[in-house]
Amino acid sequence: ETGVTQTPRHLVMGMTNKKSLKCEQHLGHNAMYWYKQSAKKPLELMFVYSLEERVENNSVPSRFSPECPNSSHLFLHLHTLQPEDSALYLCASSQDRGASRDTQYFGPGTRLTVL
Amino acid sequence: AQSVAQPEDQVNVAEGNPLTVKCTYSVSGNPYLFWYVQYPNRGLQFLLKYITGDNLVKGSYGFEAEFNKSQTSFHLKKPSALVSDSALYFCAVRALGNSGYALNFGKGTSLLVTP
Repeated sequence: ETGVTQTPRHLVMGMTNKKSLKCEQHLGHNAMYWYKQSAKKPLELMFVYSLEERVENNSVPSRFSPECPNSSHLFLHLHTLQPEDSALYLCASSQDRGASRDTQYFGPGTRLTVL
Repeated sequence: AQSVAQPEDQVNVAEGNPLTVKCTYSVSGNPYLFWYVQYPNRGLQFLLKYITGDNLVKGSYGFEAEFNKSQTSFHLKKPSALVSDSALYFCAVRALGNSGYALNFGKGTSLLVTP
């Protein structure tokens, strides 16, 4: 798991707070991903970054805002979240988002609780 | 749409017995299939993948999976289960979408290995 790291591991925030999740990959990959894992639901892809390019899932609310300053770092900025946003947020990376054979490697996740 | 189904929410196996975790897929074109494992409060760990070639794929921790095109299945197997194998197992298929090649996950199967 040291290939992809995420901080913080746990986060509790109120609905009016602003916080950020951080992901860093040490694998030399070019693509990074944010997934949301909620109880009793399949993992949901939120965002994909490849180098400078962001591709957004249209169903993700604007209260989630990704940022990718370089190919090794990925952030997820959070503001005015709702209790239903409580979930495990997983970051992943792969060599290239356009290569179907590539394996995605996941970080340990951030357990987010919105009060 | 590319998708996978995991028909069992939970699988119970006695230690030392063989285990099978089932996965079926629905794709147009060639399937690229993956298995991941998730231990409590951890991220997803890659186990193995099928891209092409030999239908029997060997992966980490003694796991293997058999690709069966006629039955559209990709079941995960291990000849002798360990208590430490108890975890949540996810099957996934690579799907080409707006975000490039993302992973579509099944809902997961909880494996419990009892001593």
